[in-house]
Amino acid sequence: GAGVSQSPSNKVTEKGKDVELRCDPISGHTALYWYRQSLGQGLEFLIYFQGNSAPDKSGLPSDRFSAERTGGSVSTLTIQRTQQEDSAVYLCASSHAAGGKGDTQYFGPGTRLTVL
Amino acid sequence: QKEVEQNSGPLSVPEGAIASLNCTYSDRGSQSFFWYRQYSGKSPELIMFIYSNGDKEDGRFTAQLNKASQYVSLLIRDSQPSDSATYLCAVGGSSNTGKLIFGQGTTLQVKP
Repeated sequence: GAGVSQSPSNKVTEKGKDVELRCDPISGHTALYWYRQSLGQGLEFLIYFQGNSAPDKSGLPSDRFSAERTGGSVSTLTIQRTQQEDSAVYLCASSHAAGGKGDTQYFGPGTRLTVL
Repeated sequence: QKEVEQNSGPLSVPEGAIASLNCTYSDRGSQSFFWYRQYSGKSPELIMFIYSNGDKEDGRFTAQLNKASQYVSLLIRDSQPSDSATYLCAVGGSSNTGKLIFGQGTTLQVKP
């Protein structure tokens, strides 16, 4: 079946502009996660959705970052007034549910964001 | 102290050898443990998960978990050049958010 999809695959923007990144999870997966991977770094958790609500936003680095999920499916991560340090690969993952055992996360291909 | 620690490597092994990748974690309440493989420029791909102490085997891969020592490892038998990648250890915490904490990854090089 179809995996997690993300768009765009690449995004180049100028400092100060707003960007929107989209994630379409695996059908039937109720949990959705956003992570960020900077050059040469490990994955950094940003936010988690269960259905349309976000019980854990603890990883969002500043109030310039926000995310929403509608219809329990597609999610959008928005970065306002982008800065050069926002340059990274933004990865989305989904799982059947969340927490405890058995909830394996499957990753999308990522969006590579470059802020000039 | 980082929450999940891995040796960044590179770990270099000859083709056909056993590669041993190690990971330690700090949260004693962690319940789920994952190994992902990431090729350069690609997203992480799940290799194995383990929840209980002991060994879990899947083909050429064996995951080992020791909760008392807060240690998880991945063994790759009969290593192939195609196994050359970065291996990420991920730990699910004691909360029920499903949030994973990732190590920095270990780069494995399998030389023909």
